[in-house]
Amino acid sequence: DGGITQSPKYLFRKEGQNVTLSCEQNLNHDAMYWYRQDPGQGLRLIYYSQIVNDFQKGDIAEGYSVSREKKESFPLTVTSAQKNPTAFYLCASTQGYEQYFGPGTRLTVT
Amino acid sequence: AQTVTQSQPEMSVQEAETVTLSCTYDTSENNYYLFWYKQPPSRQMILVIRQEAYKQQNATENRFSVNFQKAAKSFSLKISDSQLGDTAMYFCAFMSRSGGGADGLTFGKGTHLIIQP
Repeated sequence: DGGITQSPKYLFRKEGQNVTLSCEQNLNHDAMYWYRQDPGQGLRLIYYSQIVNDFQKGDIAEGYSVSREKKESFPLTVTSAQKNPTAFYLCASTQGYEQYFGPGTRLTVT
Repeated sequence: AQTVTQSQPEMSVQEAETVTLSCTYDTSENNYYLFWYKQPPSRQMILVIRQEAYKQQNATENRFSVNFQKAAKSFSLKISDSQLGDTAMYFCAFMSRSGGGADGLTFGKGTHLIIQP
């Protein structure tokens, strides 16, 4: 089955630790995205990548970093510089003008 | 930059009724797409319907239809014969065509729709 996988579904970390969220797609899509979802805020774009080895900051990139070494993979690192990291994180990919979303990762930092 | 506004944080209707969710947006672009996404309690984002701005005809998908008013920058979603499974968060979203669609989506804050039995 083609699709987007995110792991793990739930992630817990202590404050001050970096954490990496996984996103893999087997849809052969060029563009991939990371969004953050907070209650009452909708989805906000963190980073996106249109091709391998290239990525751009979205609206709320501070405290996050990404890499795109393979077309299939677009991991997101939440660094200790992110002041409010607890949120639901969604990965997506696009072919044409339709975005396909992964199931998301709920990150809790205490 | 574009903005998307959903002015109804929550709505509740009886099963089988028709409900309309509102969305307005602001952009200086002429070519774009508009979307409605559904997010049920599982939190999986599901595309409900898509509208291309250059098409005057309103998009329809089974019980879901839109009222697209380009001049007014309005994009409402109508759900007919509502069902319990329609209970979810609904997000309106904008995508520019200028970057080939690769710049991502701009979302509204969502409307929580509750269908009562």
